[in-house]
Amino acid sequence: KAGVTQTPRYLIKTRGQQVTLSCSPISGHRSVSWYQQTPGQGLQFLFEYFSETQRNKGNFPGRFSGRQFSNSRSEMNVSTLELGDSALYLCASSLDRGTQNTEAFFGQGTRLTVV
Amino acid sequence: AQSVTQPDIHITVSEGASLELRCNYSYGATPYLFWYVQSPGQGLQLLLKYFSGDTLVQGIKGFEAEFKRSQSSFNLRKPSVHWSDAAEYFCAVALRGSASKIIFGSGTRLSIRP
Repeated sequence: KAGVTQTPRYLIKTRGQQVTLSCSPISGHRSVSWYQQTPGQGLQFLFEYFSETQRNKGNFPGRFSGRQFSNSRSEMNVSTLELGDSALYLCASSLDRGTQNTEAFFGQGTRLTVV
Repeated sequence: AQSVTQPDIHITVSEGASLELRCNYSYGATPYLFWYVQSPGQGLQLLLKYFSGDTLVQGIKGFEAEFKRSQSSFNLRKPSVHWSDAAEYFCAVALRGSASKIIFGSGTRLSIRP
């Protein structure tokens, strides 16, 4: 069974540009969450999508957005990039059978460097 | 506010020695509890989880953790560490009913002394 796949693995962008990261969840998983990991702030929750709807949102500016498609694949977009957006962006998927929660499985991450 | 505290930033233990990594949480109710491990440049791998039931939880790679409600703790243990256990370990919590929104501790970096 394939795991969570994130593309690309590495990305270098210039300040002011925008970027789109992609995440393909484990087959059958309908919940996809995104996290930002930096040395200073650690691992922080960005947002979660379930059945194409944003269900939870962390404390990030509106420059960070996401969406989920009907096949559960998800993308996150960061506009007007800042140096501080340099981070490892992790995607996680979970089965989420209504009230029966399950654990989240993480992808390898996308390393974004803003120069 | 909800929070997870890992008081040890960096721990070094000798190969073959026992290990205990500390984790305390602050939540209104008993949350879901997790331990994840991360090798350099890699994603997070789930070691073990506590949802309910037996408070001593067994995980992969010989790790176990004990949930103590009275102390709001979920410490990770391993009786004998191997050099391959060197990594960063994260304690994490999630609200019941919202297991997809995970709050992470700041992590403990584990080094193994040969």
